[in-house]
Amino acid sequence: QKEVEQNSGPLSVPEGAIASLNCTYSDRGSQSFFWYRQYSGKSPELIMSIYSNGDKEDGRFTAQLNKASQYVSLLIRDSQPSDSATYLCAVNRGTYKLSFGAGTTVTVRA
Amino acid sequence: EAGVAQSPRYKIIEKRQSVAFWCNPISGHATLYWYQQILGQGPKLLIQFQNNGVVDDSQLPKDRFSAERLKGVDSTLKIQPAKLEDSAVYLCATPGSSYNEQFFGPGTRLTVL
Repeated sequence: QKEVEQNSGPLSVPEGAIASLNCTYSDRGSQSFFWYRQYSGKSPELIMSIYSNGDKEDGRFTAQLNKASQYVSLLIRDSQPSDSATYLCAVNRGTYKLSFGAGTTVTVRA
Repeated sequence: EAGVAQSPRYKIIEKRQSVAFWCNPISGHATLYWYQQILGQGPKLLIQFQNNGVVDDSQLPKDRFSAERLKGVDSTLKIQPAKLEDSAVYLCATPGSSYNEQFFGPGTRLTVL
């Protein structure tokens, strides 16, 4: 079982719609959770951090964490063509080490 | 990316050649990470430094990869000899201000022919 799994995608959504990205993790002791956005040919950019159960909103992005279900999600509301990228879920087990999923590629259709 | 400088940005070599990558955490963080990102995969931690010392190199292929961080600032990652499967982006990262956040440099894209 992989440490971090993401829905494989690609995910295609029309402009203005909600993009929903999912991530599950295997280590119940994981403590911090991150979403990175990676444009083609660029390095990962941190867009959301979440540490406790519930929702965290930042602009058009909402991260949701459910530790009991070992599940993290990212919602992108009012999707824009500029949101087209690969989104990486990363999980930290209380040490320094981040474990990444393989990423979900999102394409927003104009 | 602004807090971490990397060079070169691109490198093409033949298999069995040697290559070196350089990272400068402009922010001056004591902690520095090297990751390998193969196309279609998420980044994988190769090595973590705390000042000059290695904290974790458990996933570093030590028969061909080496890394050092002299004076606790700049770091170099070397591959000798390179294999085709080493083709990847090599990312350097430093911690952020919040718990366990990490920020990446622009990366070095290595192609091994």
